[in-house]
Amino acid sequence: DAGITQSPRHKVTETGTPVTLRCHQTENHRYMYWYRQDPGHGLRLIHYSYGVKDTDKGEVSDGYSVSRSKTEDFLLTLESATSSQTSVYFCAISGGFYNEQFFGPGTRLTVL
Amino acid sequence: AQKITQTQPGMFVQEKEAVTLDCTYDTSDPSYGLFWYKQPSSGEMIFLIYQGSYDQQNATEGRYSLNFQKARKSANLVISASQLGDSAMYFCAMREEETSYDKVIFGPGTSLSVIP
Repeated sequence: DAGITQSPRHKVTETGTPVTLRCHQTENHRYMYWYRQDPGHGLRLIHYSYGVKDTDKGEVSDGYSVSRSKTEDFLLTLESATSSQTSVYFCAISGGFYNEQFFGPGTRLTVL
Repeated sequence: AQKITQTQPGMFVQEKEAVTLDCTYDTSDPSYGLFWYKQPSSGEMIFLIYQGSYDQQNATEGRYSLNFQKARKSANLVISASQLGDSAMYFCAMREEETSYDKVIFGPGTSLSVIP
């Protein structure tokens, strides 16, 4: 158990509203990631962080922002949610013997 | 640019038989790592097996083995003696080792169904 939690686990919101997803880790890992999972696309990287206040964009970052003010927390914000952002969002950290990624349980977000 | 291809959207296998899930990758980085993850219907992502680009032998982990053919840029997952609990989505992924932030690229996945 890599000690990664995500909140909320499910959320339904309306187009145009702001949404913040939280990822919390208890492992003190440096690298944290946000992915979205959509059918036929696997997991696509939205943003990642390599330390407190150090973040950068992934391949599908448009419409998303992130913040990391503490090692253990990585927040993903949709400033103005759109229906195309309906997805399952996974947080991950790097660790383990092969530096493999450990994933949180996911957040299912529906934008109506 | 990195790319992972999984050409089998869905696969069926009889219980107790072996099955191979295909994965091809594209990278110009000489040093990279390849991963396979399993995602059962419950949704969690489970790490299965890892192969480094310089590893001389194919990786094995219990009933999972990785058929690594570097020249062909393929990293197929072999599951022996399939069990009903193996029914899941399987994702191939790659990390270029020379990046500074452990960026991992995932393929689109293969859905495996094990038939009793």
